[in-house]
Amino acid sequence: QLQLQESGPGLVKPSETLSLTCSVSGASISSISYYWGWIRQPPGKGLEWIGSIYSNGSTYYKSSLKSRVTISVDTSKNQLSLRLSSVTAADTAIYYCARHTMGAVAPWGQGTLVTVSS
Amino acid sequence: QSALTQPASVSGSPGQSITISCTGTNSDVGRYNLVSWYQHHPGKAPKFIIYEGSKRPSGVSNRFSGSKSGNTASLTISGLQAEDEADYYCCSYAGSSTLYVFGTGTKVTVL
Repeated sequence: QLQLQESGPGLVKPSETLSLTCSVSGASISSISYYWGWIRQPPGKGLEWIGSIYSNGSTYYKSSLKSRVTISVDTSKNQLSLRLSSVTAADTAIYYCARHTMGAVAPWGQGTLVTVSS
Repeated sequence: QSALTQPASVSGSPGQSITISCTGTNSDVGRYNLVSWYQHHPGKAPKFIIYEGSKRPSGVSNRFSGSKSGNTASLTISGLQAEDEADYYCCSYAGSSTLYVFGTGTKVTVL
């Protein structure tokens, strides 16, 4: 059964870089025809797609975040990574990783809360 | 890319049916038959309940159904139960550069 688990610092200072890892078990992150993505939910707000990486290595980012986001995979560790630079309080959110196709996002990780504060 | 528009809240009594709308544009909902719906209980991982507009994944109750007309997709929950109380989000594929746009979310309350 495919499972995803996010990990990383729960507190990041403003202007620094947020780095998260998503460990994948039960399937290879190199699986053909799947995307692996990051989605976040700021406190009291809705879900926001951040970006994804396809099985061929192509990356896709939300336009408003594109200049600050990098998504990559480490196939040797079966892990997905997110880097978000120059963070502000507006980047405080629960961050989820997930596998998806064009038609559906599933499964999701449990999510990890990242707070941006000095 | 703006979020898809959903009502902030919808409520109903046990056994009733409710419908949640999800309005996008002809660049997302209206263009692709790739709307999905997610049930989210706070503190848990979102669970996908509808894909490709109206298809249910294995294990999802047939009380959940989806449809689409033009730029608006809809989720209907029939025979409302207490366990259906949650936040619901729609999501649409939006093309090869943007990929995805989520809805604003709807809080469902069972009275």
